Amino acid sequence: DIQMTQSPSTLSASVGDRVTITCRASQSIGKWLAWYQQRPGKAPKILIHEASSLESGVPSRFSGSGSGTEFTLSISSLQPDDFATYYCQQYESYWTFGQGTKVEIK
Amino acid sequence: EVQLVESGGDLVQPGGSLRLSCAASGFTFSSYWMTWARQAPGKGLEWVANIKQDGSEKYYVDSVKGRFTISRDNAKNSLYLQISSLRAEDTAVYYCARSAGYTYVYYFDYWGQGTLVTVSS
Repeated sequence: DIQMTQSPSTLSASVGDRVTITCRASQSIGKWLAWYQQRPGKAPKILIHEASSLESGVPSRFSGSGSGTEFTLSISSLQPDDFATYYCQQYESYWTFGQGTKVEIK
Repeated sequence: EVQLVESGGDLVQPGGSLRLSCAASGFTFSSYWMTWARQAPGKGLEWVANIKQDGSEKYYVDSVKGRFTISRDNAKNSLYLQISSLRAEDTAVYYCARSAGYTYVYYFDYWGQGTLVTVSS
C-alpha cells in the first residue's frame, strides 16, 4: 500500500503570506497526485490534479509541483477563505489520502 | 450543476447494518465511476469503495472488504453503500463522490455533503 505523509500537520500564517505544504509518497507515484481543500463542516473540494493542473475555477494563487515521491502545494498570497485543511491524495495504485494540513490564522 | 445528495446515515448498534444512498443529478451518471469515502470525527479522509460505470468492477479498502457492498442503479441515477457488521471504528461522515476518469479512477471531482453514521450501543 502507498502511504502519503503531509507536513506540517498544522501551519499558522497571516493573510498575505506565502505558504507551502509538502506531501511525500512511500513509493513513486509519478504525477498521479491531487490536492483538496476542506473547510470546517464542508465537503472536500478538488484544487489540483496530476500534481500541477489547476482545476477550473480555482484561483491562480494555488499551485502544485513535484513528481515521484515529493510534492508541494503552494498558496502565493493567503486569503481569508484559504484557512482550511488541505489533503493530498495519490491515485497511482488504489487511492490514499495524506493525513491533512490545517492552515490556521496566526 | 452537478449535485450529489447522500442519505441514510443513522445511529446503529455494533454489529448492525445500514444502507446509504446517493442521488446524483446534473451529469450523465452512467458515464462515471463513482466512489464512497469517509471521514471519522476530527480525522482525515479515507477512500472506501469505487464502482465502475456498469457495476462490473468494484474496489474496496481492506478494512471494509466482506462487510460493505457498493452498488448503483443507473436508471435511478443512484449510488448505494450497504454496510454491515458495523464497528465503532466505522463511525464517520460518509461521502459520495464522482470519480474523474473513464477507464480508471483518478481523483474525485465532485463531492456530496455527506451523511453521518454513528456506531454505538
